[in-house]
Amino acid sequence: EPEVTQTPSHQVTQMGQEVILRCVPISNHLYFYWYRQILGQKVEFLVSFYNNEISEKSEIFDDQFSVERPDGSNFTLKIRSTKLEDSAMYFCASSRDRSSGNTIYFGEGSWLTVV
Amino acid sequence: AQTVTQSQPEMSVQEAETVTLSCTYDTSESDYYLFWYKQPPSRQMILVIRQEAYKQQNATENRFSVNFQKAAKSFSLKISDSQLGDAAMYFCAYRTPGGATNKLIFGTGTLLAVQP
Repeated sequence: EPEVTQTPSHQVTQMGQEVILRCVPISNHLYFYWYRQILGQKVEFLVSFYNNEISEKSEIFDDQFSVERPDGSNFTLKIRSTKLEDSAMYFCASSRDRSSGNTIYFGEGSWLTVV
Repeated sequence: AQTVTQSQPEMSVQEAETVTLSCTYDTSESDYYLFWYKQPPSRQMILVIRQEAYKQQNATENRFSVNFQKAAKSFSLKISDSQLGDAAMYFCAYRTPGGATNKLIFGTGTLLAVQP
């Protein structure tokens, strides 16, 4: 079964450093997402992306965050200058289209630790 | 704004027994989708089951079934014949209808322990 893949699985970074999390969505999917889960808390929506532009973003997704689809397969989340509170599991996800009926499939997550 | 509430932070069930996890939600929409996701210790988010709001019939996937009460805005998950591998965090999620947004809104989760 096709799946969303994410790299790295775990990254430790110094506060203030830039981090890029990478994702390969399912190949025939058109919508891409990033969600975040701070340890012990619920999963929160960050951003959705379609047709090479952001279609929606949450209040969490401030100017420190950016997303990009640099080629036909990868979808990246960049955090420009990491803060301690950015430590979380970041999930990439994709869906075939924007219909509510289409399931959003998640990757295994990238665990980011900011020290 | 839509909200999803899971009032049971933790639940426990004996192996082979049945357990029900509760979820309520608040929305003014009439058409939407509801999901249960499982998050095992590996932390991957795995879809367990989904329900279309326009369907009266409750969704079923093998040992997993839901009790969808649209008027009460309730969406509980029943796990029958519980197995050790069912131990995980379970998240209820609401998906906004197609249109301006299609993000998932999650509850706070229920941690399920399965006792041998």
